[in-house]
Amino acid sequence: DSGVTQTPKHLITATGQRVTLRCSPRSGDLSVYWYQQSLDQGLQFLIQYYNGEERAKGNILERFSAQQFPDLHSELNLSSLELGDSALYFCASSVEGQSYNEQFFGPGTRLTVL
Amino acid sequence: AQKITQTQPGMFVQEKEAVTLDCTYDTSDPSYGLFWYKQPSSGEMIFLIYQGSYDQQNATEGRYSLNFQKARKSANLVISASQLGDSAMYFCAMREVGRDDKIIFGKGTRLHILP
Repeated sequence: DSGVTQTPKHLITATGQRVTLRCSPRSGDLSVYWYQQSLDQGLQFLIQYYNGEERAKGNILERFSAQQFPDLHSELNLSSLELGDSALYFCASSVEGQSYNEQFFGPGTRLTVL
Repeated sequence: AQKITQTQPGMFVQEKEAVTLDCTYDTSDPSYGLFWYKQPSSGEMIFLIYQGSYDQQNATEGRYSLNFQKARKSANLVISASQLGDSAMYFCAMREVGRDDKIIFGKGTRLHILP
């Protein structure tokens, strides 16, 4: 158990809908990362937050947004969902925002868009 | 252009042998970090090892070491004395620090350890 929690574990929804994925980092970790893993796109970095502020941005679509709250939990919002958004979404946390910090991954949220 | 290349889609290795998983990268940024992750069939992602571009020594973590050859732009993962539990998908990744700080992943290598 990495100490990072993600809810829900599975999510099934329809095209055009909006969903929110939640991540709670390990106690004491200030940085949260979001990743998407799909069969056709592979593993992709979406976005990183550090202590409430956006730190780095990857291949995150405009339909997606994220935020990190004062209690350091983070939410990833996916809207106008398409079939291609079906993927495993990972959240990871690290102590600080630096590259050399070890990242601890949550178990992931499996999103299925029908 | 692909920035992280893992040329071995799959590998079969006998238990207890050492394994080298290849990774080459492409960047013009002098400051970057290289990572390896393991993903077992259960799906979770496990961070294994990190190497910074300015690090003088190769990174090591237990049975994992990173063979960093900067001039060749290669960052191979070496697993010593392989175990059945090492069977998994392995991803190499790079972060160009100070640029846009994106983390870019390779397509992965599926490692099978044979008893």
